[in-house]
Amino acid sequence: DAKTTQPNSMESNEEEPVHLPCNHSTISGTDYIHWYRQLPSQGPEYVIHGLTSNVNNRMASLAIAEDRKSSTLILHRATLRDAAVYYCILIPSAGGTSYGKLTFGQGTILTVHP
Amino acid sequence: DADVTQTPRNRITKTGKRIMLECSQTKGHDRMYWYRQDPGLGLRLIYYSFDVKDINKGEISDGYSVSRQAQAKFSLSLESAIPNQTALYFCATSDPGQGDTGDLFFGEGSRLTVL
Repeated sequence: DAKTTQPNSMESNEEEPVHLPCNHSTISGTDYIHWYRQLPSQGPEYVIHGLTSNVNNRMASLAIAEDRKSSTLILHRATLRDAAVYYCILIPSAGGTSYGKLTFGQGTILTVHP
Repeated sequence: DADVTQTPRNRITKTGKRIMLECSQTKGHDRMYWYRQDPGLGLRLIYYSFDVKDINKGEISDGYSVSRQAQAKFSLSLESAIPNQTALYFCATSDPGQGDTGDLFFGEGSRLTVL
């Protein structure tokens, strides 16, 4: 199964942009790149996902490398409420037989300083 | 009300006791999952179910069993709890029918302590 690699932790200052990297060198052609975040004392929540093209939504942007072996989650202006653990995972398309083997790694702990 | 509800939210029990964690969802999703979270280990998949008649083992199923009573309900049981099953447990759902994104929706977690 394709794995992802993320830094254990990152720090940012409030209102500055944050770039959270993720490596997924064994990604397959049918894998979607998903990002989730887990706020303290809560379950993970969906942030954004993409396949090949860069994506933007109200929470963040996702930049995907041309070879799809890496991606970057971009928080344009970090706030204190963005302090969380961020997970990058690969989810196969709906018909993928490995769908049920999804496991979240340790993720990146983002600390935001006032 | 939350779309994915877990009960109990917190439970302290003793070694050898039988424990059931329940999950119910109002999202109408076919797929449901049970994950376990331990400090420094991320989330690991215990069991998953793609529909009422489908049950599959995940990465760490030993010591656990599940029951999919209905589309909306998926229960996790520890037949004889042991201390190393002390963890935070999450239920999640997904529905590939909503496009092909496969987004996962998580409950708020059930913290289990086995003494």
